[in-house]
Amino acid sequence: SSELTQDPAVSVALGQTVRITCQGDSLRGNYASWYQQKPGQAPMLVFYGKNLRPSGIPDRFSGSTSGHTASLTITGAQAEDEADYYCNSRDTNFNHVVFGGGTKLTVL
Amino acid sequence: QLQLQESGPGLVKSSETLSLTCTVSGDSIYIVNYYWGWIRQAPGKGLEWIGSIYYNGNTYRNPTLNSRVAMSIDTSKNQFSLKMTSLTAADTAVYYCARESRASYADSSGQYLTLDSWGQGTLVTVSS
Repeated sequence: SSELTQDPAVSVALGQTVRITCQGDSLRGNYASWYQQKPGQAPMLVFYGKNLRPSGIPDRFSGSTSGHTASLTITGAQAEDEADYYCNSRDTNFNHVVFGGGTKLTVL
Repeated sequence: QLQLQESGPGLVKSSETLSLTCTVSGDSIYIVNYYWGWIRQAPGKGLEWIGSIYYNGNTYRNPTLNSRVAMSIDTSKNQFSLKMTSLTAADTAVYYCARESRASYADSSGQYLTLDSWGQGTLVTVSS
């Protein structure tokens, strides 16, 4: 099956913009979904598809896809955005599910 | 509001079989548009998809775990279950159940898959 690659760690100054990326062959023809996970909690969906946010997710979270790279952008990062972020998608080759390795976001 | 709750033993011995159940409340598990999935997370590690089951019993499993994993669904109880055999210490993890949605855009621009509701997770420790 395919793999999704994420940078292990990213940092952003409070109030600034940060982009978290996810690369993989399975993103050709598939949009990524993005999850936020804080310590001791289950992951939470924050963005998916072309431009969809679940109810209750702030609009500072946005996403985009180009080729085999998906990005999650947080515009005006807040302290509460500090968390691990995971991408996932459908693996078209085998109809399976793949996750990225996760990115730890630090808000400075 | 949809809620999922994992249940099962917190401690299992090496080489034995793990059995977990996910109880769904707030909506029926017998819904055409959704799959029901299992995901795990080893301590300090990332998320790993274990497998997904459809309301009619069709399953997809992670190829790396395929031979050790079985899933079932009981629509009368609004539950789905996971069995994993031949456990080792490497199977120690928090196990999550989740609702999975798979959709395609009508303009053929692509597909997406989401895990939009998760259980709180249950820690399973495999002891020797």
